Amino acid sequence: AQSVTQPDIHITVSEGASLELRCNYSYGATPYLFWYVQSPGQGLQLLLKYFSGDTLVQGIKGFEAEFKRSQSSFNLRKPSVHWSDAAEYFCAVVWNTGFQKLVFGTGTRLLVSP
Amino acid sequence: SQTIHQWPATLVQPVGSPLSLECTVEGTSNPNLYWYRQAAGRGLQLLFYSVGIGQISSEVPQNLSASRPQDRQFILSSKKLLLSDSGFYLCAWSVRVAGGTDTQYFGPGTRLTVL
Repeated sequence: AQSVTQPDIHITVSEGASLELRCNYSYGATPYLFWYVQSPGQGLQLLLKYFSGDTLVQGIKGFEAEFKRSQSSFNLRKPSVHWSDAAEYFCAVVWNTGFQKLVFGTGTRLLVSP
Repeated sequence: SQTIHQWPATLVQPVGSPLSLECTVEGTSNPNLYWYRQAAGRGLQLLFYSVGIGQISSEVPQNLSASRPQDRQFILSSKKLLLSDSGFYLCAWSVRVAGGTDTQYFGPGTRLTVL
C-alpha cells in the first residue's frame, strides 16, 4: 500500500537554528509532494509543493524542500527557525494513478526553544 | 480569491444525537470537495470526496454520511453519533487540473466532542 512516513514525532529546535523535517514515501508511480503546516486548533496551510522540474522548491515563510527520487524523500528545511514556526507539519503525497488521493504522514510536531 | 468556511467551529454533542457540519467554498466553481477527520495524535483520514453535485465517494465505512446539495456546499452528517466520532473535522477543496494533480486547500476545521 502507498504510504508516507514522517519518522520524527517531535522535534525541538532552538530559535535561530536550522531545521530539517524528514518525509519518506513508498515507491510507486510519479509522486506529487506537499508539505502543510497546522497551528493548534487550526486548519492546514500549504507550505510548498513539488510536481516536476527543479527538485529544490521554495515555499512560504522561508521554507524549502528537496525531492530526492533515489531516496524516496521530500525533506523540509528552514535555515533559521522562528518561535512562530512552532506547529505540526504534515508531508503528503499523491501518486499519479487513478483518483489522485492525498495520503498524509502522521505529522511532526515542532517545538521551538528560546 | 478563494475562501473556505466551516461551521460550527466547535461542537459538543451527546452520544446518539444527530450531526450536521457544513462547508462552503467561495470564489471558485465546480471544485472537488473533501472531508477529513483528524483524531487526537493521529494524521488525517479522508472520509468522503465529491467531484460534483450529488456525487459522493466514501473512503471508509463508518457512522457518517456526506452530501453535496450545491456546487460549493459540502455537508457531513450522522443520524446517531458515537464516542469514536469525536475529532477535528476538516473540509478541503481543490480545482481539477488536466494532466496533473490538483492542490487541496483546507478550511479552519470543526472540533467535535461527543460525550
